[in-house]
This record gives sequence, structure tokens and C-alpha cells, in this order.
Amino acid sequence: EIVLTQSPATLSLPPGERATLSCRASQSVRSYLAWYQQKPGQAPRLLIYDVSNRATGIPARFSGSGSETDFTLTISSLEPEDFAVYYCQQRRYWPLTFGQGTRLEIK
Amino acid sequence: QVQLVESGGGLVQPGRSLRLSCAASGFTLSSNAMHWVRQAPGEGLEWVAAISYDGSNTYNADSVKGRFTFSRDNSKNTLYLQMDSLRREDTAVYYCVRDSGYGSTWPLYFDLWGRGTLVSVSS
Repeated sequence: EIVLTQSPATLSLPPGERATLSCRASQSVRSYLAWYQQKPGQAPRLLIYDVSNRATGIPARFSGSGSETDFTLTISSLEPEDFAVYYCQQRRYWPLTFGQGTRLEIK
Repeated sequence: QVQLVESGGGLVQPGRSLRLSCAASGFTLSSNAMHWVRQAPGEGLEWVAAISYDGSNTYNADSVKGRFTFSRDNSKNTLYLQMDSLRREDTAVYYCVRDSGYGSTWPLYFDLWGRGTLVSVSS
């Protein structure tokens, strides 16, 4: 099973700052990695797929990068609605797996 | 409106069974593989099961293998998750999720989520 390890567990930043979230895979997942955002009481939402492609309706301040085992989600300038939990997910191997999440909170 | 609506959750005793349903609308269900993803209270996301667009292939997480069965009836735009031999650790919100791939191009990503249904396993 591919283990995805996200860091940090919690990130505290003020609005307007740049956020950098990391996801590391226990073995190569090539470019088959996505990011999701989940707000309290809501279902997750697809943000980024195949490392760097924004899903429909996702603002340009969200970007993804990386390859093989190391991936990054960057939010260029935090808006109030961006404070949430973020998960990475791989689709290269069964079982499909998620990282444990990074909580992005307002500082 | 494109949506997935889960139903069938509730409180059940350990060892008993429950069947979840997921009604799809606003898109052609038969074009997409589908998944169930669950989230225990205060915890992260766990992929549970998947089914191909035509129901010919299914995959389960090891944690539910042999106990959960995922099926679909495309003519009724409905999916089902039969959960047998339930355990306390199965307590979670269960999300019905669409795969973004079409036909045999899957798995891709989870591009449409239902609101979830809560399953509580307790005596």
C-alpha cells in the first residue's frame, strides 16, 4: 500500500501569506496525485489533479508541483475561504490512498 | 442538477448489516466508475470501495474485504454498498463519489461527492 505523508500537520498563517503544503509518497506514484480541500461539515472538493492541473472552477492562486514521491500544493495568497483541511491522494496503485491531511488555520 | 445523494445510514449493532444507497442525478451514471470513501469522526479520508462503470470490476480496501459489497443498477441511477459483519471501527460518514474517468479509463480522481451518510456501529 502506498503511504502518503503530509506535512506539516497544521499550518498557521495570516490571510495574504503564501502557503506551502507537502505530500510525500512511500514509493513513486509518477504524476498520479491529486489534492482535495475539505471545510468543516462539507464533503471534500477536488482542487488539483495529476500533480498540477486545476479542477474546474479552482482559482489560479492554487497550484501544484512535484513528481514521483515529492509533491507540493501552493496557495499563493491566502484568502479567508482557504482555511480548511487539505488532503493528497494517489491513484497509481490499488488501494487508492489519501494522506492524513494538513490543517491550514488562520494565524 | 448534478448530484449524488446517499441514504441508509444509521445506528447498528456490531455484527449486523446495513445497506447504503447512492442516487445519482444530472449526469449519465453508466459512464463513470464510482467509489465509496469514508471518514471516521475527527479523522481523515479513507477509500473504501470502487466499481467500474458497468459493474464488471470491483475493488475493496483490505479493511472491508469480505464484508462489504459494492454494486450498481445503472437503469435506476443507483449504487449500493452492502455492509455485513459491521465493526465499531466502521463508524464513519460514508461518501458516494464519482470517478472523473469515463468508461474503462479509471481510476482517475474524485470529482463529485455526495454529502455523506453517517453509519454508527455501537451496542
